Amino acid sequence: DQQVKQNSPSLSVQEGRISILNCDYTNSMFDYFLWYKKYPAEGPTFLISISSIKDKNEDGRFTVFLNKSAKHLSLHIVPSQPGDSAVYFCAASGLWGAQKLVFGQGTRLTINP
Amino acid sequence: DAGVTQSPTHLIKTRGQQVTLRCSPKSGHDTVSWYQQALGQGPQFIFQYYEEEERQRGNFPDRFSGHQFPNYSSELNVNALLLGDSALYLCASSKLSGATNEKLFFGSGTQLSVL
Repeated sequence: DQQVKQNSPSLSVQEGRISILNCDYTNSMFDYFLWYKKYPAEGPTFLISISSIKDKNEDGRFTVFLNKSAKHLSLHIVPSQPGDSAVYFCAASGLWGAQKLVFGQGTRLTINP
Repeated sequence: DAGVTQSPTHLIKTRGQQVTLRCSPKSGHDTVSWYQQALGQGPQFIFQYYEEEERQRGNFPDRFSGHQFPNYSSELNVNALLLGDSALYLCASSKLSGATNEKLFFGSGTQLSVL
């Protein structure tokens, strides 16, 4: 039962263009959503998050959009840089606490010079 | 300021053996959670420890157990290893606040291979 899904295993984008990573969820009890970035041989690092009461959150080059009716969120990176090449995980939590995150399968983003 | 540290980095075990993985949380953090990341998958929650007690548990069998020490460090034990236990085991720490926007900080993980 995959409650958080990232349907694109990989994405390739040219440097300077916009990267859009997508995530769908099924559990209506999720109320907080996060994006983590993971480089090889490192643990996931927090990137950006959004509460279910908002539909957009921006932090520099990174913006997360939440569409609750569609149970869909997306991460926009603009402009994309070579250092953004990594695996991106979408994650969600609920009232049970922030320590129990439910992760998607991840999307490998490659930024081409 | 040291982040979350895990040891060992890599481990090779044989089916049926037992393994212990260790985690030191980020300074100032009091809560430790463990995750299993199989190849090509996202991390899956195993359990959470706070005040030396298991507080929440994911869908993992009793072969997976843990411990938290008074200094907040933690161990993950897996008994009767199966081939399917081969994965990257991630430790995450946080300062328990009860807020939904509490952030988890992850270690680099222990890569366990079961032969």
